[in-house]
Amino acid sequence: AQSVTQLGSHVSVSEGALVLLRCNYSSSVPPYLFWYVQYPNQGLQLLLKYTSAATLVKGINGFEAEFKKSETSFHLTKPSAHMSDAAEYFCAVSDRSSGNTGKLIFGQGTTLQVKP
Amino acid sequence: DSGVTQTPKHLITATGQRVTLRCSPRSGDLSVYWYQQSLDQGLQFLIQYYNGEERAKGNILERFSAQQFPDLHSELNLSSLELGDSALYFCASSASPGHAQYFGPGTRLTVL
Repeated sequence: AQSVTQLGSHVSVSEGALVLLRCNYSSSVPPYLFWYVQYPNQGLQLLLKYTSAATLVKGINGFEAEFKKSETSFHLTKPSAHMSDAAEYFCAVSDRSSGNTGKLIFGQGTTLQVKP
Repeated sequence: DSGVTQTPKHLITATGQRVTLRCSPRSGDLSVYWYQQSLDQGLQFLIQYYNGEERAKGNILERFSAQQFPDLHSELNLSSLELGDSALYFCASSASPGHAQYFGPGTRLTVL
């Protein structure tokens, strides 16, 4: 069965510092991979998605993620944190095998705190 | 704005009651997914519909049911409510399975 692990439930960075949020997946076949962001009292907003076209995926708000098959990872990065990046971030996978329903399996989430 | 709408935004009810949550997908999307978000379970997939037909079931209780109508909107029915059903319920839609899912703002259910 597929699973997603997000290392670190809380990450704190200073404004202007590098943001690195870690995500590892467990799947026999490389899945579709997604990062979502959730601001307080809001729904989930899609940041970026990996569907095998390119291993480095650029998303919205300056975020990007790199798919590394050998490490079964899909870490999210941003070169310079902004106060508005403070939110909860979710990594998710979707099975790409035949009969794929597209249902998402989510990690437990990482809360990003940005200090001034 | 994702284009996915959910009503109501908040719902407060008592144990044993029944409620209906409504979702309208993005224009053109045929797939609708329902998820539950709670502090102890995180985000859990409940059920998926594609063009009116049920495609997949996740950790959905027998007290819960859903359907997708010909106009593609979907409803999630929760009955015999318990305190533990208090959670955020999200609807998401996609053009087809495997495509990115776009989430609605959610319905916050509080069972007292």
